Amino acid sequence: ETGVTQSPTHLIKTRGQQVTLRCSSQSGHNTVSWYQQALGQGPQFIFQYYREEENGRGNFPPRFSGLQFPNYSSELNVNALELDDSALYLCASSRLGGGHTEAFFGQGTRLTVV
Amino acid sequence: AQSVTQPDIHITVSEGASLELRCNYSYGATPYLFWYVQSPGQGLQLLLKYFSGDTLVQGIKGFEAEFKRSQSSFNLRKPSVHWSDAAEYFCAVGAGTGTASKLTFGTGTRLQVTL
Repeated sequence: ETGVTQSPTHLIKTRGQQVTLRCSSQSGHNTVSWYQQALGQGPQFIFQYYREEENGRGNFPPRFSGLQFPNYSSELNVNALELDDSALYLCASSRLGGGHTEAFFGQGTRLTVV
Repeated sequence: AQSVTQPDIHITVSEGASLELRCNYSYGATPYLFWYVQSPGQGLQLLLKYFSGDTLVQGIKGFEAEFKRSQSSFNLRKPSVHWSDAAEYFCAVGAGTGTASKLTFGTGTRLQVTL
């Protein structure tokens, strides 16, 4: 089990609403990445935060935004929810700098948009 | 841009049999390669990784993988499968230093184990 925790574990939202998902990174890690995993698919990279700044973004629209806090925890915000946003959202923490390191994933937040 | 192909969507093996899951990647330079496992409704657990050096890498739970640059492959193997290995397996590639968390994943291979 990793030290990466995500909240909430499940939630249901209505189309057009906004949602905030939270992630606490593993101790000693300074980078958080977010992924979207639709049913039956592999995870897709949304964006990464390092030193409280966005450090790379995948092919997702601007209504997907994020924050990283001084304690390296992070939020993913999605505005104007669409039905296709229904997915498992995964957070991964890692450490940039100091050589190669791998990413450790949380258990995910299952978002259902109705 | 990098990409990952996992040609097998679903594989069924008998408990005790050997296993090989295929992964092909596309990337211009030396990639960073990973295998993750996911149980239903759960997050991803890292099985093993390749950054450089020895092309045969050992991971957890008795898994190993071999990096073959000439074939752009990073196949996952296990000599004897246990029923608890039933899960979804994902191959992923990271493009360059510091990108172990900016990963491109394949679509996954679902492993079923029969008793």
